[in-house]
Amino acid sequence: QKEVEQNSGPLSVPEGAIASLNCTYSDRGSQSFFWYRQYSGKSPELIMFIYSNGDKEDGRFTAQLNKASQYVSLLIRDSQPSDSATYLCAVDPYSSASKIIFGSGTRLSIRP
Amino acid sequence: GAVVSQHPSRVICKSGTSVKIECRSLDFQATTMFWYRQFPKQSLMLMATSNEGSKATYEQGVEKDKFLINHASLTLSTLTVTSAHPEDSSFYICSANKYFGPGTRLTVL
Repeated sequence: QKEVEQNSGPLSVPEGAIASLNCTYSDRGSQSFFWYRQYSGKSPELIMFIYSNGDKEDGRFTAQLNKASQYVSLLIRDSQPSDSATYLCAVDPYSSASKIIFGSGTRLSIRP
Repeated sequence: GAVVSQHPSRVICKSGTSVKIECRSLDFQATTMFWYRQFPKQSLMLMATSNEGSKATYEQGVEKDKFLINHASLTLSTLTVTSAHPEDSSFYICSANKYFGPGTRLTVL
């Protein structure tokens, strides 16, 4: 059974600080990794994807992947109240059009 | 990024009726689309994988005769909730190429 684990939170971070969201996965052969943001009542929005070990930066977001440790994280710099949402980690075991495996999500709250 | 649309965004129907939800990929072709359901404050639940030109693959516990899926073209998949009941009220979301549609909120009275 392939699994993706996330701390459900809520994670509370002061405005302007760095929010760090973590995710572990069980299938060592997984190839592609995704972070989605979901606001309450809305569908998930893809914000980052990463395929290679190391860091990938996009604006205030940095995705980090460590395949040896089966660990992927998302850092949000200069956190804003608008970043308050649930963040879903997802893993594609086969890097194809196959279904991806979602974690249950971490609820992030940015306090002003 | 890729754009996925859904229609309708919101639907209210009477118990016992059927409701069809459309999912379209707007700027790419998708041989595979996915249908999810999400109840309030719960995780996404994958219902089925929609395959263009062939039968859908349903997840364990999802009734294929109740949730009919048709993927007739490379840009369109439909989900029909047949004989809907109040417990089918939920947020239905489709996905293609790792992108999600905006979702359809179904309320069954």
